[in-house]
Amino acid sequence: GIQVEQSPPDLILQEGANSTLRCNFSDSVNNLQWFHQNPWGQLINLFYIPSGTKQNGRLSATTVATERYSLLYISSSQTTDSGVYFCAVVTSGTYKYIFGTGTRLKVLA
Amino acid sequence: GAGVSQSPRYKVAKRGQDVALRCDPISGHVSLFWYQQALGQGPEFLTYFQNEAQLDKSGLPSDRFFAERPEGSVSTLKIQRTQQEDSAVYLCASSQGTSRYNEQFFGPGTRLTVL
Repeated sequence: GIQVEQSPPDLILQEGANSTLRCNFSDSVNNLQWFHQNPWGQLINLFYIPSGTKQNGRLSATTVATERYSLLYISSSQTTDSGVYFCAVVTSGTYKYIFGTGTRLKVLA
Repeated sequence: GAGVSQSPRYKVAKRGQDVALRCDPISGHVSLFWYQQALGQGPEFLTYFQNEAQLDKSGLPSDRFFAERPEGSVSTLKIQRTQQEDSAVYLCASSQGTSRYNEQFFGPGTRLTVL
Protein backbone atom coordinates (compact mmCIF):
# COMPACT_ATOMS: atom_id res chain seq x y z
CA GLY A 1 0.00 0.00 0.00
CA ILE A 2 0.88 3.66 -0.19
CA GLN A 3 3.48 5.04 2.21
CA VAL A 4 3.04 8.57 3.60
CA GLU A 5 6.10 9.97 5.31
CA GLN A 6 6.33 13.33 7.04
CA SER A 7 9.38 15.30 8.04
CA PRO A 8 10.69 16.39 10.37
CA PRO A 9 9.15 14.11 13.00
CA ASP A 10 9.71 16.69 15.73
CA LEU A 11 10.24 20.43 15.61
CA ILE A 12 10.82 23.01 18.31
CA LEU A 13 10.54 26.68 17.37
CA GLN A 14 10.81 29.98 19.12
CA GLU A 15 7.69 32.10 18.81
CA GLY A 16 7.85 34.17 15.65
CA ALA A 17 9.95 31.71 13.65
CA ASN A 18 8.96 30.22 10.29
CA SER A 19 8.90 26.54 9.38
CA THR A 20 8.25 24.12 6.53
CA LEU A 21 6.70 20.70 7.03
CA ARG A 22 6.92 18.09 4.31
CA CYS A 23 4.70 15.17 3.29
CA ASN A 24 5.97 12.59 0.80
CA PHE A 25 3.72 9.90 -0.63
CA SER A 26 4.73 6.85 -2.61
CA ASP A 27 1.85 6.64 -5.11
CA SER A 28 -0.55 8.92 -6.95
CA VAL A 29 -3.38 10.37 -4.88
CA ASN A 30 -6.85 11.73 -5.55
CA ASN A 31 -7.13 13.83 -2.42
CA LEU A 32 -4.83 15.37 0.20
CA GLN A 33 -5.61 17.24 3.39
CA TRP A 34 -3.47 18.84 6.07
CA PHE A 35 -4.69 18.70 9.66
CA HIS A 36 -3.58 20.18 12.97
CA GLN A 37 -4.29 17.97 15.96
CA ASN A 38 -4.37 20.25 18.98
CA PRO A 39 -3.31 19.18 22.47
CA TRP A 40 -6.93 18.22 23.23
CA GLY A 41 -6.96 15.75 20.34
CA GLN A 42 -9.23 17.63 17.95
CA LEU A 43 -8.29 17.30 14.27
CA ILE A 44 -8.64 20.70 12.68
CA ASN A 45 -8.82 21.03 8.90
CA LEU A 46 -6.10 23.30 7.59
CA PHE A 47 -6.12 22.71 3.84
CA TYR A 48 -7.86 20.53 1.32
CA ILE A 49 -5.17 20.57 -1.37
CA PRO A 50 -4.87 17.68 -3.84
CA SER A 51 -2.84 20.00 -6.07
CA GLY A 52 -1.71 23.61 -6.32
CA THR A 53 -1.12 26.27 -3.70
CA LYS A 54 -3.41 27.76 -1.06
CA GLN A 55 -2.95 30.34 1.66
CA ASN A 56 -4.89 31.05 4.83
CA GLY A 57 -3.43 33.76 7.03
CA ARG A 58 -0.04 32.68 8.37
CA LEU A 59 -0.36 29.24 6.83
CA SER A 60 0.08 28.17 3.25
CA ALA A 61 0.39 24.83 1.48
CA THR A 62 1.62 23.53 -1.84
CA THR A 63 1.04 20.11 -3.37
CA VAL A 64 3.00 18.90 -6.38
CA ALA A 65 1.08 15.75 -7.17
CA THR A 66 3.29 14.73 -10.10
CA GLU A 67 6.31 14.68 -7.78
CA ARG A 68 4.34 13.15 -4.89
CA TYR A 69 4.88 15.66 -2.15
CA SER A 70 3.14 18.44 -0.28
CA LEU A 71 4.52 21.25 1.86
CA LEU A 72 2.93 23.17 4.73
CA TYR A 73 4.43 26.56 5.58
CA ILE A 74 3.90 28.18 8.96
CA SER A 75 5.04 31.78 9.29
CA SER A 76 5.41 33.86 12.44
CA SER A 77 4.63 30.85 14.60
CA GLN A 78 2.60 31.24 17.80
CA THR A 79 2.36 29.03 20.88
CA THR A 80 -1.14 28.04 19.78
CA ASP A 81 0.40 26.40 16.70
CA SER A 82 1.77 23.66 18.94
CA GLY A 83 0.46 20.16 18.36
CA VAL A 84 0.79 17.46 15.74
CA TYR A 85 0.44 18.13 12.04
CA PHE A 86 -0.79 15.34 9.80
CA CYS A 87 -1.15 15.06 6.09
CA ALA A 88 -3.65 12.49 4.84
CA VAL A 89 -4.20 11.13 1.34
CA VAL A 90 -6.83 9.20 -0.58
CA THR A 91 -5.62 6.87 -3.31
CA SER A 92 -7.40 5.73 -6.43
CA GLY A 93 -10.16 3.21 -5.85
CA THR A 94 -10.75 4.07 -2.20
CA TYR A 95 -12.40 6.73 -0.06
CA LYS A 96 -10.41 6.31 3.15
CA TYR A 97 -7.68 8.61 4.33
CA ILE A 98 -4.20 7.21 4.87
CA PHE A 99 -2.52 9.42 7.44
CA GLY A 100 1.13 10.33 7.45
CA THR A 101 3.54 9.77 10.30
CA GLY A 102 2.96 13.27 11.68
CA THR A 103 5.16 16.19 12.70
CA ARG A 104 5.05 17.15 16.38
CA LEU A 105 5.55 20.91 16.71
CA LYS A 106 6.26 22.80 19.89
CA VAL A 107 6.40 26.59 19.82
CA LEU A 108 8.11 28.22 22.79
CA ALA A 109 7.12 31.65 24.11
CA GLY B 1 -23.21 25.52 11.98
CA ALA B 2 -22.69 22.41 14.06
CA GLY B 3 -19.75 20.18 13.32
CA VAL B 4 -19.40 16.45 13.83
CA SER B 5 -20.25 15.44 17.38
CA GLN B 6 -19.38 12.27 19.23
CA SER B 7 -20.50 10.77 22.51
CA PRO B 8 -19.42 9.89 25.04
CA ARG B 9 -16.18 11.86 24.97
CA TYR B 10 -14.59 9.46 27.45
CA LYS B 11 -15.43 5.85 28.19
CA VAL B 12 -13.85 3.50 30.69
CA ALA B 13 -14.75 -0.15 30.32
CA LYS B 14 -13.72 -3.29 32.12
CA ARG B 15 -12.23 -5.97 29.93
CA GLY B 16 -15.01 -8.08 28.48
CA GLN B 17 -17.67 -5.38 28.53
CA ASP B 18 -19.50 -4.21 25.42
CA VAL B 19 -19.37 -0.53 24.46
CA ALA B 20 -21.27 1.65 21.99
CA LEU B 21 -19.86 4.87 20.58
CA ARG B 22 -22.08 7.39 18.81
CA CYS B 23 -21.37 9.77 15.94
CA ASP B 24 -23.60 12.59 14.72
CA PRO B 25 -22.28 13.78 11.35
CA ILE B 26 -22.73 17.23 9.89
CA SER B 27 -26.33 17.55 8.77
CA GLY B 28 -26.78 16.44 5.17
CA HIS B 29 -23.41 14.75 4.88
CA VAL B 30 -23.75 11.56 2.91
CA SER B 31 -20.42 9.92 3.74
CA LEU B 32 -19.33 8.84 7.21
CA PHE B 33 -16.03 7.33 8.33
CA TRP B 34 -14.71 5.78 11.54
CA TYR B 35 -11.00 5.86 12.41
CA GLN B 36 -9.01 4.51 15.35
CA GLN B 37 -6.08 6.45 16.79
CA ALA B 38 -3.71 4.69 19.14
CA LEU B 39 -1.55 6.76 21.47
CA GLY B 40 1.24 8.50 19.59
CA GLN B 41 0.04 7.28 16.18
CA GLY B 42 -1.93 8.72 13.31
CA PRO B 43 -5.57 7.77 12.79
CA GLU B 44 -6.24 4.50 10.99
CA PHE B 45 -9.32 3.75 8.91
CA LEU B 46 -11.95 1.38 10.28
CA THR B 47 -15.06 1.62 8.11
CA TYR B 48 -16.97 3.80 5.62
CA PHE B 49 -20.69 4.44 5.00
CA GLN B 50 -22.46 6.08 2.10
CA ASN B 51 -25.88 6.92 3.50
CA GLU B 52 -26.94 3.70 5.26
CA ALA B 53 -24.78 1.39 3.15
CA GLN B 54 -21.52 0.17 4.66
CA LEU B 55 -19.27 0.14 1.60
CA ASP B 56 -15.94 -0.64 3.22
CA LYS B 57 -15.27 -2.36 6.52
CA SER B 58 -11.79 -3.54 5.67
CA GLY B 59 -10.21 -1.73 8.62
CA LEU B 60 -12.27 -3.31 11.38
CA PRO B 61 -9.67 -5.24 13.40
CA SER B 62 -11.86 -8.17 14.41
CA ASP B 63 -15.40 -9.48 14.36
CA ARG B 64 -15.85 -7.91 17.79
CA PHE B 65 -16.17 -4.56 16.02
CA PHE B 66 -19.47 -3.68 14.39
CA ALA B 67 -20.74 -0.41 12.93
CA GLU B 68 -24.14 0.67 11.70
CA ARG B 69 -25.88 3.70 10.27
CA PRO B 70 -29.47 2.50 9.87
CA GLU B 71 -31.10 5.74 8.72
CA GLY B 72 -28.16 7.23 6.91
CA SER B 73 -27.49 9.82 9.61
CA VAL B 74 -26.30 8.89 13.11
CA SER B 75 -23.79 6.04 13.31
CA THR B 76 -22.85 3.72 16.14
CA LEU B 77 -19.60 1.82 16.52
CA LYS B 78 -20.00 -1.16 18.82
CA ILE B 79 -17.17 -3.14 20.35
CA GLN B 80 -18.05 -6.42 21.98
CA ARG B 81 -16.03 -8.12 24.70
CA THR B 82 -13.53 -5.26 24.90
CA GLN B 83 -9.83 -6.04 25.22
CA GLN B 84 -7.01 -3.85 26.49
CA GLU B 85 -5.67 -3.44 22.95
CA ASP B 86 -8.95 -1.71 22.04
CA SER B 87 -7.90 1.29 24.15
CA ALA B 88 -7.63 4.20 21.72
CA VAL B 89 -9.36 7.33 20.52
CA TYR B 90 -12.17 6.59 18.08
CA LEU B 91 -12.72 9.37 15.56
CA CYS B 92 -15.69 9.90 13.32
CA ALA B 93 -15.56 11.99 10.14
CA SER B 94 -18.14 13.03 7.59
CA SER B 95 -18.06 14.49 4.10
CA GLN B 96 -20.71 16.10 1.98
CA GLY B 97 -20.74 13.96 -1.13
CA THR B 98 -19.90 10.50 -2.34
CA SER B 99 -16.77 11.42 -4.24
CA ARG B 100 -13.31 10.57 -3.00
CA TYR B 101 -12.48 14.22 -3.74
CA ASN B 102 -14.57 15.50 -0.84
CA GLU B 103 -13.06 17.11 2.25
CA GLN B 104 -13.55 15.15 5.48
CA PHE B 105 -14.46 16.85 8.78
CA PHE B 106 -13.61 15.16 12.04
CA GLY B 107 -15.36 15.01 15.38
CA PRO B 108 -13.63 15.42 18.75
CA GLY B 109 -13.30 11.67 19.26
CA THR B 110 -14.19 9.22 22.02
CA ARG B 111 -11.30 8.15 24.22
CA LEU B 112 -11.83 4.52 25.21
CA THR B 113 -9.84 3.03 28.07
CA VAL B 114 -10.19 -0.69 28.73
CA LEU B 115 -9.00 -1.80 32.16
